Amino acid sequence: QKEVEQNSGPLSVPEGAIASLNCTYSDRVSQSFFWYRQYSGKSPELIMSIYSNGDKEDGRFTAQLNKASQYVSLLIRDSQPSDSATYLCAALRRNAGNMLTFGGGTRLMVKP
Amino acid sequence: DTGVSQDPRHKITKRGQNVTFRCDPISEHNRLYWYRQTLGQGPEFLTYFQNEAQLEKSRLLSDRFSAERPKGSFSTLEIQRTEQGDSAMYLCASSFDGSLGEQFFGPGTRLTVL
Repeated sequence: QKEVEQNSGPLSVPEGAIASLNCTYSDRVSQSFFWYRQYSGKSPELIMSIYSNGDKEDGRFTAQLNKASQYVSLLIRDSQPSDSATYLCAALRRNAGNMLTFGGGTRLMVKP
Repeated sequence: DTGVSQDPRHKITKRGQNVTFRCDPISEHNRLYWYRQTLGQGPEFLTYFQNEAQLEKSRLLSDRFSAERPKGSFSTLEIQRTEQGDSAMYLCASSFDGSLGEQFFGPGTRLTVL
């Protein structure tokens, strides 16, 4: 079992819809969680971080964390074609060298 | 531009050659990380520096790989006797003490070993 798992997709949504991206993790010691957006051929770009159970909103993005279920999600409201990218979920354990453990990413396609 | 920078952006080399990559972190960041990413996969951790001290190394970092951060500023990653399996994107990231672990990535160096 991978430490961080994501559905590889592609997840296809129409423009203006809500895109829901999910991630599960196996290590209960993980303390912080991050969502990165990666366009093809480019490096990951940090878009959201979450540390506590519940929701965190930033513009069109909402991150959700449920530590009991070991589940992290990212909602993108009013999806735009420019949101089409691969979304990477990452978990961090401070006592493990501060390294990020990434899932394989979910490819999102937003169709006009 | 005050983001993380990496050089070169692309490197093509022949099997058996040595290559060296450079990373300049965000200036106030004292933590620096190297990751490797292959097509269709998420980045994989290679090594981590706090200031000039290399505090963590992945088992992925074979003895052909070495990383340095001599003055706690820029870092270099050297791969000796490259193999075709080393072909990947090599990513550098940085963060600072007191942050909640947010790491910011540079543009990466894409290595192709022929």
